[in-house]
Amino acid sequence: NAGVMQNPRHLVRRRGQEARLRCSPMKGHSHVYWYRQLPEEGLKFMVYLQKENIIDESGMPKERFSAEFPKEGPSILRIQQVVRGDSAAYFCASSPESGGSSGNTIYFGEGSWLTVV
Amino acid sequence: AQRVTQPEKLLSVFKGAPVELKCNYSYSGSPELFWYVQYSRQRLQLLLRHISRESIKGFTADLNKGETSFHLKKPFAQEEDSAMYYCALSRGDTDKLIFGTGTRLQVFP
Repeated sequence: NAGVMQNPRHLVRRRGQEARLRCSPMKGHSHVYWYRQLPEEGLKFMVYLQKENIIDESGMPKERFSAEFPKEGPSILRIQQVVRGDSAAYFCASSPESGGSSGNTIYFGEGSWLTVV
Repeated sequence: AQRVTQPEKLLSVFKGAPVELKCNYSYSGSPELFWYVQYSRQRLQLLLRHISRESIKGFTADLNKGETSFHLKKPFAQEEDSAMYYCALSRGDTDKLIFGTGTRLQVFP
């Protein structure tokens, strides 16, 4: 069972461009979470999605950021008109459906490092 | 609101010394507590969860509801323990994790 897969691992964008980060959850997992890790800071929750639904987006900035988890394909975190302050590591995590045998264990991907120049 | 506090940003010890990474939480209900470890620029890995009460790589953590703490301990630190350690809280099954700001553990030879 492959782990949570994120790509690209490293992404460089100029200010004003768009960044798209992809996350394929572990096989059998239908819950996806996105976290942001700023330099020298901890992980901040951004958004929690199930297939085709946003469950909790309380950590998403109000503008420029959006996330989706379509019926087919990976979850995508999209950042429009990037600014230098968006430079961070973005981690995706997944977990099985509620009531799964692994309980509440959330598995993380290796992260996508976004650098805005 | 839920909150996780890790008061130490950096903890430096010598190999063989005991280690305690502090974690305090605030939550009015019955939380699930976790410790995750992140080695340099790698993914976060689950180290411990309080409900399993197991010891991983010599680390243990006991949930103290009276003090709302979940400190991570190891009696004898090893150099390979050097990493970032994150304490996290969840309200329940598949709910999001709330992380502390992390503690960097440095173990010197």
